[in-house]
Amino acid sequence: AQSVTQLGSHVSVSEGALVLLRCNYSSSVPPYLFWYVQYPNQGLQLLLKYTTGATLVKGINGFEAEFKKSETSFHLTKPSAHMSDAAEYFCAVSANNAGKSTFGDGTTLTVKP
Amino acid sequence: DGGITQSPKYLFRKEGQNVTLSCEQNLNHDAMYWYRQDPGQGLRLIYYSQIVNDFQKGDIAEGYSVSREKKESFPLTVTSAQKNPTAFYLCASSMWDHHAGGSEAFFGQGTRLTVV
Repeated sequence: AQSVTQLGSHVSVSEGALVLLRCNYSSSVPPYLFWYVQYPNQGLQLLLKYTTGATLVKGINGFEAEFKKSETSFHLTKPSAHMSDAAEYFCAVSANNAGKSTFGDGTTLTVKP
Repeated sequence: DGGITQSPKYLFRKEGQNVTLSCEQNLNHDAMYWYRQDPGQGLRLIYYSQIVNDFQKGDIAEGYSVSREKKESFPLTVTSAQKNPTAFYLCASSMWDHHAGGSEAFFGQGTRLTVV
């Protein structure tokens, strides 16, 4: 079985501040991990993914995430928030050959001017 | 351009009616999925399909039906048996790798269904 927990359903930061969105996963086999972003009334768009190899993964729009097996975490960060980063963010895990992903409940990021 | 197209974007249904949501992809992906999204509940899997003419129930399949007659198409029917159908519905597709853990999903723009 696989599962994802996103800590904090709402995160608020000031423009220019560090963004940190937390994700912990559970999996009995090596996981594939993903972060997606969703803007209002739109579908999800892939930000970045971890499959194998380098544990620090860089994605679009200046986001990155680090896979930490010992902590079963895959937290998303961005050094400096921009107003356009305001959106909902989903962490997902795929950890078996069924291919389908399990999504977290999402974290809404608010960026204050 | 390759992608996934969902239609319509907005759909209104009277109680007791069946409605069908369309999902078409031209990415040549084997796997397709339907998710339901409610505020604060993330994405919940309704049905998924790995190959043509085959599909499996997800976590909340009751009151829904699907078909996969063509690789490109995976329509979802919301039946009158679905007690609370008002939600945002997302269709997605992905490659299918039997030797790997999975691949990223590509999403359509969603259909917002409202029961009136």
